[in-house]
Amino acid sequence: DGGITQSPKYLFRKEGQNVTLSCEQNLNHDAMYWYRQDPGQGLRLIYYSQIVNDFQKGDIAEGYSVSREKKESFPLTVTSAQKNPTAFYLCASSFGATYGYTFGSGTRLTVV
Amino acid sequence: QKEVEQDPGPLSVPEGAIVSLNCTYSNSAFQYFMWYRQYSRKGPELLMYTYSSGNKEDGRFTAQVDKSSKYISLFIRDSQPSDSATYLCAMSPPQTGANNLFFGTGTRLTVIP
Repeated sequence: DGGITQSPKYLFRKEGQNVTLSCEQNLNHDAMYWYRQDPGQGLRLIYYSQIVNDFQKGDIAEGYSVSREKKESFPLTVTSAQKNPTAFYLCASSFGATYGYTFGSGTRLTVV
Repeated sequence: QKEVEQDPGPLSVPEGAIVSLNCTYSNSAFQYFMWYRQYSRKGPELLMYTYSSGNKEDGRFTAQVDKSSKYISLFIRDSQPSDSATYLCAMSPPQTGANNLFFGTGTRLTVIP
């Protein structure tokens, strides 16, 4: 079955550590996205990528980094520069905005 | 002004009630309209997809678009406890760019048995 897979479901990070969230899709979608979701704030775009080896910053890119070496994969690194990383992170993919996005099941990151 | 406005709720209704969820928008270029359902601690899933104006029905769900008023609605008939979730509206202009989907903040719905 085609879909988009995020791992892990839950992740704990110590202060000062970098962590990487995985996102893989087998839908043959060109575009991939990372969103952050906090209670009462809706979806906020972190980064997106339209093609391999190219990506653009979203509204809240500071403290995050991404790579797009393969069409299927778009990992997100939450760096120690991100001061408030505890949140629910969602990855999505699409053929383009007019088709809507397919979302993964999310990763909940907690700083301990 | 945000591109898409959505009342965050929360909204609580008794089982069997008709639910109306709404979004307003400011960009008259929006042509594609969607509703996503998100259960707690899960990713959003596409529930309804509509192009331009009019109504679309799928089982107990009806999506309605009024482009003249820049207003979209999702109606849920005979609501069930399993409909308890956050509902997000989303919309896009005709351009097929990757980053042209605009989301509402979501309305949290609880259906009480």
